[in-house]
Amino acid sequence: DGGITQSPKYLFRKEGQNVTLSCEQNLNHDAMYWYRQDPGQGLRLIYYSQIVNDFQKGDIAEGYSVSREKKESFPLTVTSAQKNPTAFYLCASSRTGNEQFFGPGTRLTVL
Amino acid sequence: SQQGEEDPQALSIQEGENATMNCSYKTSINNLQWYRQNSGRGLVHLILIRSNEREKHSGRLRVTLDTSKKSSSLLITASRAADTASYFCAIFQGAQKLVFGQGTRLTINP
Repeated sequence: DGGITQSPKYLFRKEGQNVTLSCEQNLNHDAMYWYRQDPGQGLRLIYYSQIVNDFQKGDIAEGYSVSREKKESFPLTVTSAQKNPTAFYLCASSRTGNEQFFGPGTRLTVL
Repeated sequence: SQQGEEDPQALSIQEGENATMNCSYKTSINNLQWYRQNSGRGLVHLILIRSNEREKHSGRLRVTLDTSKKSSSLLITASRAADTASYFCAIFQGAQKLVFGQGTRLTINP
């Protein structure tokens, strides 16, 4: 069953902690993306990767880091440098230039 | 801003009526895409329209694109309660990334 998965669904972080959000796809897509969505807002691009071992900053990369060691996986780390991390995080994948397939999202809350 | 701007921000109609949402943008595009998001979920792709296309249909959905006016519209005909969601346009400009608008929140009243 092809698709894109994210885990965990809910994540709670204490101030000063780094946390990592998982994103896995078995669609054989080259490109993967991380977005942040705040309540009632659209999506803002954090990082994207078009190929393994390569990634680019999006519009709001500060306080986040990523890796792309495997085609199937694109984990996002929210570092303590991100001052307002509470948000809904969405991962997506695509064949470059085409429709994006989204995961179900991770809701991160800072305690 | 390079993002698409959706209009209206919120729309409430009766079941069975048609719903029209608009998207305007500022730069040239390769394609424009429409997505739906149910509350608390990921986005689902609806339609992709390329810059050399003027209209596309998919079931009850109709998308138009006017590149001279830099605008697109999404029409949902014969709306159903299940169409209640947020709808986003997204612009692909060739920089290998999509730029999303703020969305239109559509509510279908029974």
